[in-house]
Amino acid sequence: DVKVTQSSRYLVKRTGEKVFLECVQDMDHENMFWYRQDPGLGLRLIYFSYDVKMKEKGDIPEGYSVSREKKERFSLILESASTNQTSMYLCASSLGGADSYEQYFGPGTRLTVT
Amino acid sequence: DQQVKQNSPSLSVQEGRISILNCDYTNSMFDYFLWYKKYPAEGPTFLISISSIKDKNEDGRFTVFLNKSAKHLSLHIVPSQPGDSAVYFCAARTAGNKLTFGGGTRVLVKP
Repeated sequence: DVKVTQSSRYLVKRTGEKVFLECVQDMDHENMFWYRQDPGLGLRLIYFSYDVKMKEKGDIPEGYSVSREKKERFSLILESASTNQTSMYLCASSLGGADSYEQYFGPGTRLTVT
Repeated sequence: DQQVKQNSPSLSVQEGRISILNCDYTNSMFDYFLWYKKYPAEGPTFLISISSIKDKNEDGRFTVFLNKSAKHLSLHIVPSQPGDSAVYFCAARTAGNKLTFGGGTRVLVKP
């Protein structure tokens, strides 16, 4: 079974703080993704990575950065948290290759910025 | 501009009856469509998929239909069970294994 774990289930931070969200997958997947989920908007892609040290912007990258130093780990960084970044953050991973489409998700981190 | 839309935010159905969830898309380059199911406080889990070259895929109680000319897909759950109560997301794949998700439909199956 693929397992994707996220470092925290719930997080409360203050405006302006630097926030790190960690994600680890144990299936040697090439691709990793960060999404945020907001009511009525579904899941929106923030950043993704196809390989170690590679990163690509998704649909809503503003205010975020990422790091992938090891294949199994993908970190999302909020440089200076703002209240509009209060959301559910979901990490996912998938195999590489054209035949791969299924993404496996972690349980999510609910971040509240006050 | 949302490329994948689920126009019904919620659906209520009686246990044993059919649940039909709908999804519309605008991008003709999508090559795979997926449905995910999400329970509260859990990540989404993959349910069923369909290639853009097919018009139907069935897996047990779940069937997905694709109408490419209408850019429309639907998920049928028959018979619906209380454990099916969850939020369902439609997703579509583009180049690079990126998925674009719809806004979700909350399904409530009443016993």
